[in-house]
Amino acid sequence: SQQGEEDPQALSIQEGENATMNCSYKTSINNLQWYRQNSGRGLVHLILIRSNEREKHSGRLRVTLDTSKKSSSLLITASRAADTASYFCATFLSVGMNRDDKIIFGKGTRLHILP
Amino acid sequence: KAGVTQTPRYLIKTRGQQVTLSCSPISGHRSVSWYQQTPGQGLQFLFEYFSETQRNKGNFPGRFSGRQFSNSRSEMNVSTLELGDSALYLCASSLVGPMNTEAFFGQGTRLTVV
Repeated sequence: SQQGEEDPQALSIQEGENATMNCSYKTSINNLQWYRQNSGRGLVHLILIRSNEREKHSGRLRVTLDTSKKSSSLLITASRAADTASYFCATFLSVGMNRDDKIIFGKGTRLHILP
Repeated sequence: KAGVTQTPRYLIKTRGQQVTLSCSPISGHRSVSWYQQTPGQGLQFLFEYFSETQRNKGNFPGRFSGRQFSNSRSEMNVSTLELGDSALYLCASSLVGPMNTEAFFGQGTRLTVV
């Protein structure tokens, strides 16, 4: 299965509500990143959280990281229509061999904000 | 400053042909990484180049190759195209690497193989 897996796969909420999505991973990490993608276009970086950090904020975004549970969550507060997008977590898989390190993206959570 | 530019935006190719995609990173960024996105497999890492050298690679067959020039521009080549290569190909640039610093993505090249 994926190194990073988000849940839920899809989420619909009313505008103004908070949205929470989770990411689980399997191996030890140095950091974890969250990205947003609108309508099959390029990704936009949201937050990078390092393994020694437990929580990070950026505007209406809050990311937590629990390395003991190998999980992270992304909270979007006071959601807006413009938040409708797919959200991905990304982790770095180091296999210890030269040139085989990989970035692993989860399948993503599709967030739909209802007016 | 200018963002990451990928060309072309759309491509239609026939099975068996080859294709070259181009990525111009943000000025000053030395790392360029490439990704394939499909509905079935999601986002998958292809490879990363840093200062003209391939630094890391994902689990793709040798038909997928790339290179980086001295100005950090990168190209990705896919030979002997298969129907399953139809995908959105994204490149990203970053200062020192996509997992240690923020990566900036281009809009992608949508490749359709018929």
